[in-house]
Order: sequence, then C-alpha cells, then structure tokens
Amino acid sequence: EPEVTQTPSHQVTQMGQEVILRCVPISNHLYFYWYRQILGQKVEFLVSFYNNEISEKSEIFDDQFSVERPDGSNFTLKIRSTKLEDSAMYFCASIPGQANTEAFFGQGTRLTVV
Amino acid sequence: AQRVTQPEKLLSVFKGAPVELKCNYSYSGSPELFWYVQYSRQRLQLLLRHISRESIKGFTADLNKGETSFHLKKPFAQEEDSAMYYCALRSNAGNMLTFGGGTRLMVKP
Repeated sequence: EPEVTQTPSHQVTQMGQEVILRCVPISNHLYFYWYRQILGQKVEFLVSFYNNEISEKSEIFDDQFSVERPDGSNFTLKIRSTKLEDSAMYFCASIPGQANTEAFFGQGTRLTVV
Repeated sequence: AQRVTQPEKLLSVFKGAPVELKCNYSYSGSPELFWYVQYSRQRLQLLLRHISRESIKGFTADLNKGETSFHLKKPFAQEEDSAMYYCALRSNAGNMLTFGGGTRLMVKP
C-alpha cells in the first residue's frame, strides 16, 4: 500500500540554522499539506499546496517558512532561521483530490531546536 | 473560526466495556468530520468519516448538528483499541483539517 514518507525521522538543529524537512507524498495525490504538533499540544495546520502553489496557510506559516515541490515527487518544508519554539513534530499529508478527502499522513519528523 | 474540542485527554476502560470519546465542534457552515487514530509508534490514519456512515473496527460516530457533536463509540472495547484518537473537521471552504486535542484511550485487560 502506498505511503507518505518523511525524512529525516529526527532532526536536531541549532537555533538560527536553516532546516529542510522532506516528504514524498503518494504519487497520484493532488493536495499536499504540512502540519505540526508541539509536544502536548494540538496538531496544527501550517500550509496546503495545490497545483504548484500555496492554496492556504495559517498564521503560524510566516516568512520564516517556505514550501517547495522541486521535482514533482518531493515536497519540502524549509524553516530559514529556526527558533526554540519551532521544536515540534512535523507531519506531511496528501489527499487524492476533491472527490476523496481522506488525508494520508507521513510518520512525522521530530525537529528539536537547541 | 472553526474549532474542535475533545474534553477528555485520557480515557481508561476495561476490556469489554463500552467506550465513548467525545468531540464537539464549532463551525458556521456544513462541516465534514473525521476521526483519526494513532497507534503506538505509527502514523495518523483515518478511522472513519461522518459522510460514509460506516462502522470501522466496531467504532461508529454520528454527527449531531443540533449538539454540534461527533462522538466516537464502541460497545465493547478491545485492548488493541488503545491509541490516541483525534477528531478533525474539514471546512467546505478549504481542504485543511482542524484537529481536536486528542484523547488517549487505554483499554485495560
């Protein structure tokens, strides 16, 4: 069964450094998402991506964040200058299309900013 | 603004007991509601959604628009049901999901 794959599973970075979190969505899916979950808190929406552009973003998704689908398979989340409060579990998800709205999630990347 | 509330962070029951995980939502339009489950060390996965009105692994959930609730129920809990359960809402204005805080279900032998 096809799965959404995320790498790395755990990333430790120093405050101020740039990080790139990688995701490979399911190949025939059309909508792509990033969510995050700070320890002990809710899963929060960050951004959605459709037709090679951002379709929605939350207040969390400020200028420090960017997404890209550089090669038609990978879907990346970049944080330019990490802060301590960016430490969280980051989940990638994809949806087949408008007719099927089941979201398929990756296993997550744990980002620790020190 | 849309919001999903799961009032219980932890629910502990014995095997064979009935289970009800509560979910209330706030949304002005017609929402689409889901239950997602996360078993230990596994990814979030869809358990069920209100539009399909199906029973998965013995779980059911009915959308009550009057009470703005979408509680998840199972008549006889099994140990393998132990997991984190998240209620989520998708607005008809977009495809993003708004999650509740999650309820950890522990089913004791």
